[in-house]
Amino acid sequence: AQTVTQSQPEMSVQEAETVTLSCTYDTSESDYYLFWYKQPPSRQMILVIRQEAYKQQNATENRFSVNFQKAAKSFSLKISDSQLGDAAMYFCAYRSALVGGSQGNLIFGKGTKLSVKP
Amino acid sequence: NAGVTQTPKFQVLKTGQSMTLQCAQDMNHNSMYWYRQDPGMGLRLIYYSASEGTTDKGEVPNGYNVSRLNKREFSLRLESAAPSQTSVYFCASSEGPLATNEKLFFGSGTQLSVL
Repeated sequence: AQTVTQSQPEMSVQEAETVTLSCTYDTSESDYYLFWYKQPPSRQMILVIRQEAYKQQNATENRFSVNFQKAAKSFSLKISDSQLGDAAMYFCAYRSALVGGSQGNLIFGKGTKLSVKP
Repeated sequence: NAGVTQTPKFQVLKTGQSMTLQCAQDMNHNSMYWYRQDPGMGLRLIYYSASEGTTDKGEVPNGYNVSRLNKREFSLRLESAAPSQTSVYFCASSEGPLATNEKLFFGSGTQLSVL
């Protein structure tokens, strides 16, 4: 079974600085998708960024980018120019590309709580 | 845009009581999901519906039932609530099925306490 590990329960960053959140995963599959979701205090989960495993190029979305290391099974999230609104729980998630049953279910890590200091 | 709407937002039950969590989406999505989130944990899939008329078990289905009433609505029922079902419940939807890079749209959750 696939697992997702976020080793940093909490992180803190100064406003306008850069922070990197770590995520590692375990899988024997070669085709899959990786996601970062943000959960602000409002509780509603919001997709931040996603990466297809077959793509070597790292995904970017404005101030958010990932460092995808397939061989190392690592998928870190970098937030540049941190803003107060970035304060939230961040969840890394894995999704198999295999079709059938719940194999394509999202598997979440336990999350990293990010605080942004003014 | 309402997106995914869940009701109620908060609920307190006594052990053994039953209740239904409601979820509706207005994005014409095919797939809908129910997750639970426990303290210090990520979300875990309870049930999902890949299309109208179909439902399947996820990772933690015991103690729950679901109904995909139509394309818009997907309800979660607790027949006899137990303290272990105290959690925050999230409904989500996506245009396509599992096993894709589809973005999931989430509701704002229902905080359920079972005493």
